[in-house]
Amino acid sequence: GAGVSQTPSNKVTEKGKYVELRCDPISGHTALYWYRQSLGQGPEFLIYFQGTGAADDSGLPNDRFFAVRPEGSVSTLKIQRTERGDSAVYLCASSLRPQNTGELFFGEGSRLTVL
Amino acid sequence: LAKTTQPISMDSYEGQEVNITCSHNNIATNDYITWYQQFPSQGPRFIIQGYKTKVTNEVASLFIPADRKSSTLSLPRVSLSDTAVYYCLVGDIGASNYQLIWGAGTKLIIKP
Repeated sequence: GAGVSQTPSNKVTEKGKYVELRCDPISGHTALYWYRQSLGQGPEFLIYFQGTGAADDSGLPNDRFFAVRPEGSVSTLKIQRTERGDSAVYLCASSLRPQNTGELFFGEGSRLTVL
Repeated sequence: LAKTTQPISMDSYEGQEVNITCSHNNIATNDYITWYQQFPSQGPRFIIQGYKTKVTNEVASLFIPADRKSSTLSLPRVSLSDTAVYYCLVGDIGASNYQLIWGAGTKLIIKP
C-alpha cells in the first residue's frame, strides 16, 4: 500500500523481554517520527529522524528505548527489558519535511502489551 | 512549544454544524495551527492547517482571529462517521526540530 505500515499490529510480551517494532514509511518521506499513545491520551513524542540520523531523541523515556533508521527508510524501535508501564500503542508517522506543510502521515500503530 | 487547550468532549447531532475551539495563548510568530482527527484503533489523520484568517478544504474550515490566540475548527453537516477525537496543535513547520505537543484532544460524539 501507499501508506505508513507498522508491524506487528499487536505484540504481547512478558516483563523483562526485548521487543522490536517496525515502521515502513511512505516512499520518499525523509522525516520519520515515533510516538507513544496511552489510552485516552494524545500521542507522546519519542524520536524524530531526518534521513538516517536521529534529529531529536529527547522524547525517549530512558535508555531502554532505542530507534534506528539505517538506510533512511524503514525504522525500528527497540525496547529492552520491557516493563508493564511500556504498554501502549506505538505510532509511527512520516512526512515530506522540510519541503511541505509538516503534515504527518500516521500508521495504524503497534499495540504493545507487557504482562 | 506552545500548548493548546480544547474541550475534553462535545456532543452533537447528525446534520448539524460543529465548532471546536482551541486556545493557544502562547502561539509564536512562526507557528502554524494544525488539526488532526483520530478514530479508534487508527493513527491520527491530518484535517486542516492554517496561519491566519480562514482556511477551507473539502472537509472542514479553520477560523483564526487576528491575534491568533485561538482557532475554531468547523465541521459542516456532521454525520455519525465524524465521531472521533480531534486534536489541535501549534508548531513552527519550518523549524529543524519541528515537534508537536499533543494534548488529550476533543472527543466528539455525533448522535443520530
